[in-house]
Amino acid sequence: GQNIDQPTEMTATEGAIVQINCTYQTSGFNGLFWYQQHAGEAPTFLSYNVLDGLEEKGRFSSFLSRSKGYSYLLLKELQMKDSASYLCAVRQRPTLYYGNNRLAFGKGNQVVVIP
Amino acid sequence: GAVVSQHPSRVICKSGTSVKIECRSLDFQATTMFWYRQFPKKSLMLMATSNEGSKATYEQGVEKDKFLINHASLTLSTLTVTSAHPEDSSFYICSARLRGPETQYFGPGTRLLVL
Repeated sequence: GQNIDQPTEMTATEGAIVQINCTYQTSGFNGLFWYQQHAGEAPTFLSYNVLDGLEEKGRFSSFLSRSKGYSYLLLKELQMKDSASYLCAVRQRPTLYYGNNRLAFGKGNQVVVIP
Repeated sequence: GAVVSQHPSRVICKSGTSVKIECRSLDFQATTMFWYRQFPKKSLMLMATSNEGSKATYEQGVEKDKFLINHASLTLSTLTVTSAHPEDSSFYICSARLRGPETQYFGPGTRLLVL
């Protein structure tokens, strides 16, 4: 099974930096994804980590520590359009029954950007 | 990036009727598609993995006879909610896996309301 934990909501000012944390416990870890989801819309892919360390992609960076079961997403130079829910998802290795990589999602962290 | 479409985007139906939702990968072939369900302010819950040309693999607790999945071609998977009840009202989202990057691309979702 898996257990993925994220804080639920945070508010930040336009132009600021915000860090969203995700801790997980899972068997067969095979990578961690971050997705952004605006209300009523489908998630969009932000980043992927499978090895320890920091991955930087423009204003967004994601960090992974497999030994600690921990990841964070860093959002820099916040913009109003960044107001959304940020979901971390752990990918699990295929098993005999589940022949494909499956994603288990956390509840998401709602970020509200204010002027 | 890869584009996944869903149809319909919104459906209202009477209790007891069946509803079919289509998921298409528009510019790539997807041997594997995934169906998720998301209740308000909750995370995405994987319902089943749809495999082209073979039976779907359902997650624990998901009734395969109630949620029929057909993956008839490399670009189309359908989810049929049979004998829908008000508790089936939810946001249903599909995703398709693109080979290589191992990233899942999500459709825009279908909002189902059962009266």
